[in-house]
Amino acid sequence: DVQLIQSGVEVKKPGEPLEISCKGSGYTFRNYWIGWVRQTPEKGLEWMGTISPGDSDTRYSLSFQGQVTISADKSINTVYLQWTSLKASDSGMYFCGKHLGMKASLDPFDFWGQGTLVAVSS
Amino acid sequence: DIQLTQSPSFLSASVGDRVTITCRASQGISSFLAWYQQKPGKAPKLLIYAASNLQSGVPSRFSGSGSGTVFTLTISSLQPGDFATYYCQQVDSFPLTFGGGTKVDIK
Repeated sequence: DVQLIQSGVEVKKPGEPLEISCKGSGYTFRNYWIGWVRQTPEKGLEWMGTISPGDSDTRYSLSFQGQVTISADKSINTVYLQWTSLKASDSGMYFCGKHLGMKASLDPFDFWGQGTLVAVSS
Repeated sequence: DIQLTQSPSFLSASVGDRVTITCRASQGISSFLAWYQQKPGKAPKLLIYAASNLQSGVPSRFSGSGSGTVFTLTISSLQPGDFATYYCQQVDSFPLTFGGGTKVDIK
């Protein structure tokens, strides 16, 4: 069965770095792009960016470009979302999702991780 | 960016009702639209892709239609497990965007 397992809840202070992860199993990881989506009550669902684990080709939303880094380690079937300096406004639920089609990034997400809650507060 | 506007934002319905949700795109997106269902505390679940294709394992009471700028998700006979929030998403171009959601509640 396809599964995406995300790392756990994070409680951080503004200015701290953070990396959260998403590990895939049950399919050929390198062949399917993985995206990150933030969900907040204020802005709803926001696509942040998407990476091809096979070659680390990445697409970012302009809203998040420069604010986060998406990376992948295909040797351990894992994609990462990183911040160098968190802000309170980074608080939210973060989901990873596998794009539906092989080697397709302009595609919906057919499988999702369980979500990682990030709380940033002084 | 392509804006997606869902209507209504909230609807109250009974088990057995036929429910229709609309998603309007700010520009034409052909059939590059998906629908998701999300329950509290859970990740979204893909229901429909390419506007009208039923995702594997999704009950046939769910259907999607439309192309261009206007799309609809229909639930032919609402079941207890269908009370949730529904989102549309366009995958025509980057950035991928989502609608604001439609919460379906019990009347």
